[in-house]
Amino acid sequence: AQSVSQHNHHVILSEAASLELGCNYSYGGTVNLFWYVQYPGQHLQLLLKYFSGDPLVKGIKGFEAEFIKSKFSFNLRKPSVQWSDTAEYFCAVNPLRFGNEKLTFGTGTRLTIIP
Amino acid sequence: ETGVTQTPRHLVMGMTNKKSLKCEQHLGHNAMYWYKQSAKKPLELMFVYNFKEQTENNSVPSRFSPECPNSSHLFLHLHTLQPEDSALYLCASSQAGTSGGAPNEQFFGPGTRLTVL
Repeated sequence: AQSVSQHNHHVILSEAASLELGCNYSYGGTVNLFWYVQYPGQHLQLLLKYFSGDPLVKGIKGFEAEFIKSKFSFNLRKPSVQWSDTAEYFCAVNPLRFGNEKLTFGTGTRLTIIP
Repeated sequence: ETGVTQTPRHLVMGMTNKKSLKCEQHLGHNAMYWYKQSAKKPLELMFVYNFKEQTENNSVPSRFSPECPNSSHLFLHLHTLQPEDSALYLCASSQAGTSGGAPNEQFFGPGTRLTVL
């Protein structure tokens, strides 16, 4: 079945460590890609998105993600995490052949930052 | 009020009850969505409404019945639910149908935490 995989279920890091969260998808063809974040007690909100052009996209709060088409991957990175980055992170894929409404989400990665 | 609001925030119901979840968006969007978020599972898309017309029903059981009276309001009517339906139900909205396949950013509400006893 076509899907979105986030292999890291729970990541624990110390402040100032570097972060990389994996996201792989199995859809062929053109896709739009997203990372959403859910801080404790808050709404899901968009962190960054990829549409076309430069495969390295920058989002809010110092996050970036790189689209590697040959690997069907869209990994999220941050060079130096902060305690306030503690949250759950969701990768989502929109296969454009279904129109631009249908988003398929991964299971999420819980990130815990230790002060 | 700004963004996407949902009421109630918490709901406990018995299996024979009938209740409704409400979602309202204040963003001028033309598409609205219901998702189900269960522990250790991906967000599951349940329904999509685009210009008030249902364009997606992701094999959702008939005990869930959506209603979209206008582009700002979305309801999810619940009846004879099962305990496994306990989950966080999220509403989202977006401006769908943008040209050229541009990303359709969805804005989410805070969710309704539903417990079925």
